Amino acid sequence: GAGVSQSPSNKVTEKGKDVELRCDPISGHTALYWYRQSLGQGLEFLIYFQGNSAPDKSGLPSDRFSAERTGGSVSTLTIQRTQQEDSAVYLCASRHRAGGGYTFGSGTRLTVV
Amino acid sequence: DQQVKQNSPSLSVQEGRISILNCDYTNSMFDYFLWYKKYPAEGPTFLISISSIKDKNEDGRFTVFLNKSAKHLSLHIVPSQPGDSAVYFCAASYQGGSEKLVFGKGTKLTVNP
Repeated sequence: GAGVSQSPSNKVTEKGKDVELRCDPISGHTALYWYRQSLGQGLEFLIYFQGNSAPDKSGLPSDRFSAERTGGSVSTLTIQRTQQEDSAVYLCASRHRAGGGYTFGSGTRLTVV
Repeated sequence: DQQVKQNSPSLSVQEGRISILNCDYTNSMFDYFLWYKKYPAEGPTFLISISSIKDKNEDGRFTVFLNKSAKHLSLHIVPSQPGDSAVYFCAASYQGGSEKLVFGKGTKLTVNP
């Protein structure tokens, strides 16, 4: 597609449930990033995928968070046993390996009640 | 430990005047700096960037200045327009860090007609 697509755009879930957030990057972009923005905060790095290399998971806040990228394209961020502090906007971005700025999706607003 | 700081959460200017948004960083390994603009319910969009080998980069109404000795950069918007009203994020990266971006908390710019 022309841009980075994220789904769902909004998700309300009960505390303790698992959620899956999806990101469909720009075709041909080999690098994919997940960030989150909590209320009043900047964008916090979560995880980075580059081609077939091992992902950089250094930003994942706990082992309840995991992500995968299948076939070098679509990525899924999974949060298990959600907590209220997980409420945030989760943003996905992709970029061409050759550089340039990231292209962000519109994000998924996650609310844990 | 916040490596990228935007100390002004908000800024208000009159249409036609100059807007100056400031950003400070602490990590001397950062070698690439970017500014993103974000409207509500949308993902951040890339605005302008600067490499550490330069001290100025200009694109139309937008100019970014980098002062490496002070670890400070600024974004100038001249002349400011009401459509520039958005949250502006400063971001930094370095080649050895998977090129992930470290973001500031953002500055909300309001341009009054």
